[in-house]
Amino acid sequence: DGGITQSPKYLFRKEGQNVTLSCEQNLNHDAMYWYRQDPGQGLRLIYYSQIVNDFQKGDIAEGYSVSREKKESFPLTVTSAQKNPTAFYLCASSGRDRFGTQYFGPGTRLLVL
Amino acid sequence: GQNIDQPTEMTATEGAIVQINCTYQTSGFNGLFWYQQHAGEAPTFLSYNVLDGLEEKGRFSSFLSRSKGYSYLLLKELQMKDSASYLCAAHILTGGGNKLTFGTGTQLKVEL
Repeated sequence: DGGITQSPKYLFRKEGQNVTLSCEQNLNHDAMYWYRQDPGQGLRLIYYSQIVNDFQKGDIAEGYSVSREKKESFPLTVTSAQKNPTAFYLCASSGRDRFGTQYFGPGTRLLVL
Repeated sequence: GQNIDQPTEMTATEGAIVQINCTYQTSGFNGLFWYQQHAGEAPTFLSYNVLDGLEEKGRFSSFLSRSKGYSYLLLKELQMKDSASYLCAAHILTGGGNKLTFGTGTQLKVEL
């Protein structure tokens, strides 16, 4: 089946630790996105990538890093510089339909121990 | 800056009609998306408006007025499963590509 997968579903981070969230898609989409969602809040854009080997900072990029070495994969690293990492992280991708519709993965919930 | 406003919560009765409003002030605006998100799950695409007017899709319709910076999502024949958060998102064109700016979401509760 075509879709977007994120792993793990739940992730625990210790103080001072970097953690990496996985996002993979087999939809042959060019663009991929990372969002953060806090309770009762909308989605805020962290990073996005329109093509392989290129990415742009979103609205809240500080404390995060990404790479886009393959079209199918867009991992997000939450670094120790991110002081409030507890949130629901959503990955999305979009293809070349008329509207650039973004389709979302199931999300990863990150908790700090 | 980019600003998207929608009500925080709404309550409606099963079988009724509800309208969720969204106003926006953005630069680079290309169109308006609506997504549905059940608790703890990913958002799912409902509709996209790029031109002024009403787009109908089954029980769901969405309206856009570009001159007024206004959109609404209309849900008819409400069902209990429609209880969810509804996210309004402006589609923005930038030098770096396409991106979406989301509102905070409207939590809809459908009651018997």
